Amino acid sequence: GENVEQHPSTLSVQEGDSAVIKCTYSDSASNYFPWYKQELGKRPQLIIDIRSNVGEKKDQRIAVTLNKTAKHFSLHITETQPEDSAVYFCAFIGGGSYIPTFGRGTSLIVHP
Amino acid sequence: DTAVSQTPKYLVTQMGNDKSIKCEQNLGHDTMYWYKQDSKKFLKIMFSYNNKELIINETVPNRFSPKSPDKAHLNLHINSLELGDSAVYFCASSRGQNNRGYTFGSGTRLTVV
Repeated sequence: GENVEQHPSTLSVQEGDSAVIKCTYSDSASNYFPWYKQELGKRPQLIIDIRSNVGEKKDQRIAVTLNKTAKHFSLHITETQPEDSAVYFCAFIGGGSYIPTFGRGTSLIVHP
Repeated sequence: DTAVSQTPKYLVTQMGNDKSIKCEQNLGHDTMYWYKQDSKKFLKIMFSYNNKELIINETVPNRFSPKSPDKAHLNLHINSLELGDSAVYFCASSRGQNNRGYTFGSGTRLTVV
């Protein structure tokens, strides 16, 4: 079945450093790749997404890159701040389904 | 003015009871979902439903059942609650099969004692 692997499961950085979270997917027909941020006790919220016809997308301090050949996509956060601390989930929509498949999440901790 | 609202936010109940969690969306979306998030934060899809089809994750016990009175509501009924049902349950909705506007509800923390 469809699968997505997300690494690392935990990421600890100092304020101001960059953070990178990677996901690898299995379905080559996937066409939509969103990233969600879930703060403690709150709902997952979409922070950035990318479609399969684009290789990179940026929004201020966050960016997502997609390598369709290697079937992986990554979230990049620059100049991290303590408020970036949260669990981040990657997801993809396969070509044969409209139900997103979520990664297992990365707990990002930004130390002030 | 919440887009996807769930009630209750917290639910504490005893083993063996039957309970329901309600979900309503005012976004005009045509597809709604239920997820279970365990203590390790894994988001597991339970159900997906639009006006055409119900897709059930085959690993979900049949004690769980979705009920949709209309397009804006998808409620979750749970019979004979067990300790392992304790988790946070999220409702979500989206528009069309391209998943536009995928939005989660605020979650319901269920504790079975």
